[in-house]
Amino acid sequence: AQSVTQLDSQVPVFEEAPVELRCNYSSSVSVYLFWYVQYPNQGLQLLLKYLSGSTLVKGINGFEAEFNKSQTSFHLRKPSVHISDTAEYFCAVSERDDKIIFGKGTRLHILP
Amino acid sequence: DAGVTQSPTHLIKTRGQQVTLRCSPISGHKSVSWYQQVLGQGPQFIFQYYEKEERGRGNFPDRFSARQFPNYSSELNVNALLLGDSALYLCASSRTVKETQYFGPGTRLLVL
Repeated sequence: AQSVTQLDSQVPVFEEAPVELRCNYSSSVSVYLFWYVQYPNQGLQLLLKYLSGSTLVKGINGFEAEFNKSQTSFHLRKPSVHISDTAEYFCAVSERDDKIIFGKGTRLHILP
Repeated sequence: DAGVTQSPTHLIKTRGQQVTLRCSPISGHKSVSWYQQVLGQGPQFIFQYYEKEERGRGNFPDRFSARQFPNYSSELNVNALLLGDSALYLCASSRTVKETQYFGPGTRLLVL
């Protein structure tokens, strides 16, 4: 069975500092991997996805993630965060891009 | 193009009542999925529909049901509401079952 573990429930970061949000998954087959962002009182917005090919995936708003098959990880990074990046970030996995299994989320707090 | 739309945005019900939530997919999208997001958790898969047929079902009781119409819009019904059904209900659409899902803003249901 698939599962997703987001290792940090909250991450505080100073504005303009780099950030990494960690995600590990488990699955017995090849998977698709996603990061979604949820701003307060809104739905989910797709940040980026890994389906195949290059292990470094670039997304919107300056975010990128690296797929590491041996470590079953898909960590999200941004070199310099802005106050507008304050949100909840969800890592997700799908075996066939239909049913998506989400992690519990990481709340990113940007400190002035 | 308009994104996924959901109605109503907010809803208050009492225990034992029934509720119907509605979703209109992005134009050209034939698949609709429903997710439940309890406060502080990631979304959990409830149903996926494609071409009016149920293609997947999550671990939810039979009180939860859904259907998809010829115009690809969808309804989620929940009977005999429990306090624990209070959540944000998210609808997502995709062109087919194997393509990226795009989420609507959600319907926030409060059961008293």
